[in-house]
Amino acid sequence: GQQLNQSPQSMFIQEGEDVSMNCTSSSIFNTWLWYKQDPGEGPVLLIALYKAGELTSNGRLTAQFGITRKDSFLNISASIPSDVGIYFCAGQLWGAQKLVFGQGTRLTINP
Amino acid sequence: NAGVTQTPKFQVLKTGQSMTLQCAQDMNHEYMSWYRQDPGMGLRLIHYSVGAGITDQGEVPNGYNVSRSTTEDFPLRLLSAAPSQTSVYFCASTISTGGGYTFGSGTRLTVV
Repeated sequence: GQQLNQSPQSMFIQEGEDVSMNCTSSSIFNTWLWYKQDPGEGPVLLIALYKAGELTSNGRLTAQFGITRKDSFLNISASIPSDVGIYFCAGQLWGAQKLVFGQGTRLTINP
Repeated sequence: NAGVTQTPKFQVLKTGQSMTLQCAQDMNHEYMSWYRQDPGMGLRLIHYSVGAGITDQGEVPNGYNVSRSTTEDFPLRLLSAAPSQTSVYFCASTISTGGGYTFGSGTRLTVV
């Protein structure tokens, strides 16, 4: 089945640093989604991307829908302690109910 | 606004037991799904529903049943629990296909 490769698997950074993570797929998607999961909670939607080449921001977060439709990137600027968590990318095809998730990027921030 | 509510939050079952994980949403969403989350594997789709009375299988449906008698509720049934079903289960809903799903807070299930 479809698989997403998300990297890096984990990141250890200092507070204030910028963060970049990405997701690649062997097949195309029509929608790319980025979620954040805190311990003991369900994933929360951060950014949704619907068009190849689209660049969308949500506060300090910026995500891009790759031009080939096979990848997506998430950047976090000036990280703060509450950014700690696991970030997941997910791809979806139009009309399909299934979200294909990446394995997640665990972000740890040293104060 | 409660969003997506899952019960219970934690459950321990013995092998062979059956149980139902409850999921309810109050957002009048047509689309609902069940995912399981295992370490290092992201989330995988078990079953989904596009409206009351309509359900279909996802990626990993074996050992699970679902029904959708109302728009609000989408319970997941484990027929005969196995240790391989130890996982965290998430219910999610959305108003339209292609829209971002809203997830519940999960049920952590251990089968011994």
